[in-house]
Amino acid sequence: QAVVTQEPSLTVSPGGTVTLTCGSNTGAVTSGHYAYWFQQKPGQAPRTLIYDTNNKHSWTPARFSGSLLGGKAALTLSGAQPEDEAEYYCLLSYVGSRVFGGGTKLTVL
Amino acid sequence: EVQLVESGGGVVKPGGSLRLSCAASGFTFANAWMNWVRQAPGKGLEWVGHIRSRTDGGTADCAAPLEGRFTLSRDDSKNTLYLQINSLKTEDTAIYYCVSPSGYLGQGTLVTVSS
Repeated sequence: QAVVTQEPSLTVSPGGTVTLTCGSNTGAVTSGHYAYWFQQKPGQAPRTLIYDTNNKHSWTPARFSGSLLGGKAALTLSGAQPEDEAEYYCLLSYVGSRVFGGGTKLTVL
Repeated sequence: EVQLVESGGGVVKPGGSLRLSCAASGFTFANAWMNWVRQAPGKGLEWVGHIRSRTDGGTADCAAPLEGRFTLSRDDSKNTLYLQINSLKTEDTAIYYCVSPSGYLGQGTLVTVSS
């Protein structure tokens, strides 16, 4: 089974920019991995911010964007807000399976 | 508006079985590859499995550690996704979510495996 890696934790200043990444031990992440990004705040159900690498939902704040960067999937937050403090999970698709990363705890401080 | 409503969770003894359902609306369910994911208390998200649309074969895959005990199925006439879990273990205790291709999730259904 593939292993998907994320930064365990990151800190960003209010108004700052931060990039969360999602890598695969099988090689470079491509559009064929259809990366998803989920946000989960304490006590809440997860919600999807990004699907298929860079597609947003109607509820996805404009400050979030998805991309491929340096062989990984990336979630960039530009202009961090206190309410963006949360756990972020990526999900990658493989032939016959999908795998979540371990999550990144993002602190806005 | 896309809606996914999971049901069927509850408290079950180890070794027992459960069938979870996910009623979908607001999109063309029959064309959708549907997923189940779960989250154990205090843990991260775990992909459980997916089932292809009938036009793509209608077959299902489960995460390797869950194969043999977890079975996904679907009834396109009812726009409903199912997850059959057999030989339940305490480590199956989790909230189970169904997920659409574009990432919509339901509110989840809690499965607690306890003697």
